[in-house]
Amino acid sequence: DAKTTQPTSMDCAEGRAANLPCNHSTISGNEYVYWYRQIHSQGPQYIIHGLKNNETNEMASLIITEDRKSSTLILPHATLRDTAVYYCIVRVDNAGNMLTFGGGTRLMVKP
Amino acid sequence: DSGVTQTPKHLITATGQRVTLRCSPRSGDLSVYWYQQSLDQGLQFLIQYYNGEERAKGNILERFSAQQFPDLHSELNLSSLELGDSALYFCASSPGLEYEQYFGPGTRLTVT
Repeated sequence: DAKTTQPTSMDCAEGRAANLPCNHSTISGNEYVYWYRQIHSQGPQYIIHGLKNNETNEMASLIITEDRKSSTLILPHATLRDTAVYYCIVRVDNAGNMLTFGGGTRLMVKP
Repeated sequence: DSGVTQTPKHLITATGQRVTLRCSPRSGDLSVYWYQQSLDQGLQFLIQYYNGEERAKGNILERFSAQQFPDLHSELNLSSLELGDSALYFCASSPGLEYEQYFGPGTRLTVT
């Protein structure tokens, strides 16, 4: 699976959009971009994933660049409960692959 | 609530002992994954089962073993425990091999 690079930490004001970047310059054509988050020591929570088109669900939006070398997770109106470590993971689907977690980005939402 | 349950929530045991962690996947999910999260190693994949069969192995020690039963619940057995095995152990499940994984709340193991 391709390696990802994320900033170690970010701050965001409550109510504002949180934009979390991820670089995956070695991504292959059949690799998906997945985002998970982990709040404190809880189990990681699936957020969203995509291949090349932008995706949106009730939690977030995922914007993938045209060359697929980077992506941005957008939390449109961050709340204090969104404070967590966010992991960007690249993996091949249909392969039953495990998730390979990196260091992630620690997002702190501040009042 | 992801629908994945893990027991026990906390476990304190001594070095050299053996413990069993249990995971019940979401209803209908055939695939179960085990992950270990320690302070210095982060989240690491241990092993995956799909419909009762071992599918993939990660950084799982020989002292650790797992199985998935006909009712699809899974158990992770840790033996000859060492201090360094203290960690959070997460189970995740997915409907098949290509879907997103849903994680349980974890079991916190402390080896003293």
